[in-house]
Amino acid sequence: KAGVTQTPRYLIKTRGQQVTLSCSPISGHRSVSWYQQTPGQGLQFLFEYFSETQRNKGNFPGRFSGRQFSNSRSEMNVSTLELGDSALYLCASSPTSGGMYNEQFFGPGTRLTVL
Amino acid sequence: LAKTTQPISMDSYEGQEVNITCSHNNIATNDYITWYQQFPSQGPRFIIQGYKTKVTNEVASLFIPADRKSSTLSLPRVSLSDTAVYYCLLNTGFQKLVFGTGTRLLVSP
Repeated sequence: KAGVTQTPRYLIKTRGQQVTLSCSPISGHRSVSWYQQTPGQGLQFLFEYFSETQRNKGNFPGRFSGRQFSNSRSEMNVSTLELGDSALYLCASSPTSGGMYNEQFFGPGTRLTVL
Repeated sequence: LAKTTQPISMDSYEGQEVNITCSHNNIATNDYITWYQQFPSQGPRFIIQGYKTKVTNEVASLFIPADRKSSTLSLPRVSLSDTAVYYCLLNTGFQKLVFGTGTRLLVSP
């Protein structure tokens, strides 16, 4: 079974631009979560989608948004990019949302650099 | 959310057993203890999860005392490829995983 895939793997943008990142979960998985990883803040939860609905949200500004499609694929959008948005953005999928022993499977991430 | 505390770094040699202890004094009744491994420029990978006593799988063991205020991840006979960052998390069953700073394990020949 193919793992979580994320595109693109690398991206360079300039301040003020917007960016859209894509995540394809493992086949059959309906929950997709997004995380931001930076050297200073570590791994931080952005939001989770399940059955096209946002179920959980982290403490990030409204410039960060996401959506999920009927095939469970998810996109994350960051508008008005700032230098501090430079990070590794990770997507994780799991079969369901919540529940015990609910392992999350992470993709390789998208490395975003904002100049 | 309850917080976890673990050593910033550990060093070991190939073939040794490595034990990484995590403190979680304010663990809630519904919290499961979960460990993830992360290699540079990759996403974290689930290692093991438990609620109490001992859990073992093909890669690690997890020891949890009765009071559940700490847990120990045990990696038997580590190899160079086990060099990674190891995260201890408390998971209430929701998807919002809260990662701490992790333990950077360096395995030397």
